Amino acid sequence: SQQGEEDPQALSIQEGENATMNCSYKTSINNLQWYRQNSGRGLVHLILIRSNEREKHSGRLRVTLDTSKKSSSLLITASRAADTASYFCATDERVGGTSYGKLTFGQGTILTVHP
Amino acid sequence: NAGVMQNPRHLVRRRGQEARLRCSPMKGHSHVYWYRQLPEEGLKFMVYLQKENIIDESGMPKERFSAEFPKEGPSILRIQQVVRGDSAAYFCASSPSYYVESLRDTQYFGPGTRLTVL
Repeated sequence: SQQGEEDPQALSIQEGENATMNCSYKTSINNLQWYRQNSGRGLVHLILIRSNEREKHSGRLRVTLDTSKKSSSLLITASRAADTASYFCATDERVGGTSYGKLTFGQGTILTVHP
Repeated sequence: NAGVMQNPRHLVRRRGQEARLRCSPMKGHSHVYWYRQLPEEGLKFMVYLQKENIIDESGMPKERFSAEFPKEGPSILRIQQVVRGDSAAYFCASSPSYYVESLRDTQYFGPGTRLTVL
């Protein structure tokens, strides 16, 4: 599997439900970031979690990081139709103790929230 | 507080022509990254530049592609003799500083340039 691989590939839920997306990666990382992309648009940064953090919250978003399993999850609570978008995780790889800031993106999870 | 600016937003080229994509980083940011997104895929790193220096071009095709970030002016991604396979969205991102990790945090992305090669 690729670095920063999300699952599921697509998720369809009703408004008000929670959405959980997972991301797995292979190498040591400096941090892991989640981005949102609306169809045909640019990327919007959602949240960054560093390798020494286990959980982070931002509004309706909750991100967890398990470095022992090399995995992260993004939870969106009380979803809205406006949350419909593609969600990508991106890892900032650490090579020899150094982070270059080069992000490696997964294929993304397409989230559809039905009103 | 202007974000990362990219132009043009859409670019149409015929096979064999040259494409020039421009990126102006956020004010105060001296690090620029270019990524390419093929249809239905995630972003792939191409090149990382600081002012007047290419730091990492490991993701850039060896031929026809070049990038620069001059002392003055925007960063330019140049694609010579474009082919249909170059059709993609090209995103630029900027960050404040690499060497000081507390500052180099999130990469801020521009809206992208969508290149279509006919």
